[in-house]
Amino acid sequence: SQTIHQWPATLVQPVGSPLSLECTVEGTSNPNLYWYRQAAGRGLQLLFYSVGIGQISSEVPQNLSASRPQDRQFILSSKKLLLSDSGFYLCAWSDQVEGETQYFGPGTRLLVL
Amino acid sequence: QQPVQSPQAVILREGEDAVINCSSSKALYSVHWYRQKHGEAPVFLMILLKGGEQKGHEKISASFNEKKQQSSLYLTASQLSYSGTYFCGTAFFSGGYQKVTFGTGTKLQVIP
Repeated sequence: SQTIHQWPATLVQPVGSPLSLECTVEGTSNPNLYWYRQAAGRGLQLLFYSVGIGQISSEVPQNLSASRPQDRQFILSSKKLLLSDSGFYLCAWSDQVEGETQYFGPGTRLLVL
Repeated sequence: QQPVQSPQAVILREGEDAVINCSSSKALYSVHWYRQKHGEAPVFLMILLKGGEQKGHEKISASFNEKKQQSSLYLTASQLSYSGTYFCGTAFFSGGYQKVTFGTGTKLQVIP
C-alpha cells in the first residue's frame, strides 16, 4: 500500500531564516505530487505541483520554491522566511494513471516568529 | 475560481442530518470530498465523476450535477465522529493537467 511521509512534523523558525520541508511517497511510481499551505482556520492553497522529476509548476508567486530531485521525493524550500509563511504545509500525491484522488501526508506545522 | 461552500459552519446534535453544498463557476470534470479533523491532514471521503452521480460512504453520501456545476454532501444520522471541516475539491482540466481547487470548507460540529 502507498504511504506518504512528511518531516519535520513541527517547526519554529525566525523570520529571515531558510526552510526545507521534505515529502516522500512509498508504494507507488511516478506519482503527481503537490504542496499545499493552510493558514489557521482557512482552506487549502495549492502552492506547487509536479508531474515528474524536475518538473515543477508554481501556482502562487511567493518566496517559496519546490524541487523534485527523485521520483518520490518533493521538497519545499525558502531562502528567507516571512511571518506570512506560517501555516500548515501539506504534501499530497495522486496516481498519474488514475489521476483523480489526492492523498495527503500528515503535514508540517510551521510557525515563523 | 475557488468553489463556494455553504454553509460555512453548522452545529448538529447526534442523529440529525446535514447537507453541505459546493458550487463552481467553471465546468467541472469531477468533485472530491474530504474531511479534516482539527490539527490533522484532510482525509479522502469520495469522488464523483459523472453528472447526477450519487455515491455513498457509510451514512455519508454525495451527488454531483455537472450541468449546474454543483455537488452536495449528505450526512445522515450524524455521529460525534463526523465532526470536522469538510472540503470540496472541484477538478477541471488545464493545460492537459487535471487541477483540483479546494473550497474554503464547512466546519461541522456534532454535539451529544
